[in-house]
Amino acid sequence: GNSVTQMEGPVTLSEEAFLTINCTYTATGYPSLFWYVQYPGEGLQLLLKATKADDKGSNKGFEATYRKETTSFHLEKGSVQVSDSAVYFCALLTSGNTGKLIFGQGTTLQVKP
Amino acid sequence: GAVVSQHPSWVICKSGTSVKIECRSLDFQATTMFWYRQFPKQSLMLMATSNEGSKATYEQGVEKDKFLINHASLTLSTLTVTSAHPEDSSFYICSARPDVGGGELFFGEGSRLTVL
Repeated sequence: GNSVTQMEGPVTLSEEAFLTINCTYTATGYPSLFWYVQYPGEGLQLLLKATKADDKGSNKGFEATYRKETTSFHLEKGSVQVSDSAVYFCALLTSGNTGKLIFGQGTTLQVKP
Repeated sequence: GAVVSQHPSWVICKSGTSVKIECRSLDFQATTMFWYRQFPKQSLMLMATSNEGSKATYEQGVEKDKFLINHASLTLSTLTVTSAHPEDSSFYICSARPDVGGGELFFGEGSRLTVL
């Protein structure tokens, strides 16, 4: 079946630290992969995506590379800010016209000044 | 960008009553919408796929008679929690896939249901 596994949080970092949030997946076919972010009190927002192997998604200083050989899509940022504090969800979109979005359990990031 | 609006954003009801949550795509048409449920500090669980003009497709373990979904138009899907009980208290989120576009999903702000 299809599933997404994220590293457990919460992750607490100091401002300007390097961030990695691990995400691995199992899927049939060729899914697209996504990172969503949920800021406190707000809805989900798409952060970045990659639609095929070796693609790199990037946005707002965040990056993630679709690694088919390791079935991973780890999220990285070189220098986090307090405003990056949020919950981050890794997700995959199953193949086909009626694709469903399957989410990981979410990782809470707290950045301290 | 595309906007999805949910209403109400929060609701408190008594046990045994029914609650309706609306999900509207404000500036695009969506034949397909999705309803998720999010428990505190947990991930989003897909409940059902809402299809305009046809019956919703429910995920395994989701009671279709408990969670009624109606996709009345290309811009509106509703989720009705029937005879709500405290264990139904949760955060319900909808998403919509524009009929025209690259398949990206857009999410509503969520609706927090508290059943007393």
